[in-house]
Amino acid sequence: GENVEQHPSTLSVQEGDSAVIKCTYSDSASNYFPWYKQELGKRPQLIIDIRSNVGEKKDQRIAVTLNKTAKHFSLHITETQPEDSAVYFCAAKYIFGTGTRLKVLA
Amino acid sequence: EAGVAQSPRYKIIEKRQSVAFWCNPISGHATLYWYQQILGQGPKLLIQFQNNGVVDDSQLPKDRFSAERLKGVDSTLKIQPAKLEDSAVYLCASSFRPEGIGNTIYFGEGSWLTVV
Repeated sequence: GENVEQHPSTLSVQEGDSAVIKCTYSDSASNYFPWYKQELGKRPQLIIDIRSNVGEKKDQRIAVTLNKTAKHFSLHITETQPEDSAVYFCAAKYIFGTGTRLKVLA
Repeated sequence: EAGVAQSPRYKIIEKRQSVAFWCNPISGHATLYWYQQILGQGPKLLIQFQNNGVVDDSQLPKDRFSAERLKGVDSTLKIQPAKLEDSAVYLCASSFRPEGIGNTIYFGEGSWLTVV
């Protein structure tokens, strides 16, 4: 079955800096890679996703890149703001990574 | 559009007791998932249904956990008997289809279980 690894587990950045979270997956048949943001006590919320026929997707300050050959994908957040502080999860199809706790320091 | 509904939101039980969680997916969503999220960890898939059939239950501890989706809509997840390590949030989620366009997963608010 699918296995997803996510790094780093925690990430602290200064407000305005960029944050990058990386994930790898094992099943070459996976074709859908969503990213979720989870605030304390809340449900995971989809923030961006990418499908296997696309190498990069951007939505305002958030971008995701996918390298199918290497089986890894990354989330990039630019111009980080305090409200970006949360736990971020990557997923390959419906299998989730272990999460990255992002702290944006004001 | 109504979201994924779950109940109860919170439950406290003693170990060895039983508990059941209910989920109603988004209307028209054929695929339903139950995840277990232990504090500080990512959601772990317990079971995936496509309509009323099981697609993946490889991570479901079948000696104590059971789930059903008899009419292909609502689902229940049962734990019997509960152990301390079952304390977690049980997230129900649904998607229109499991693959391709339309497979975005939407989560319910979760059922918080504490086993004492």
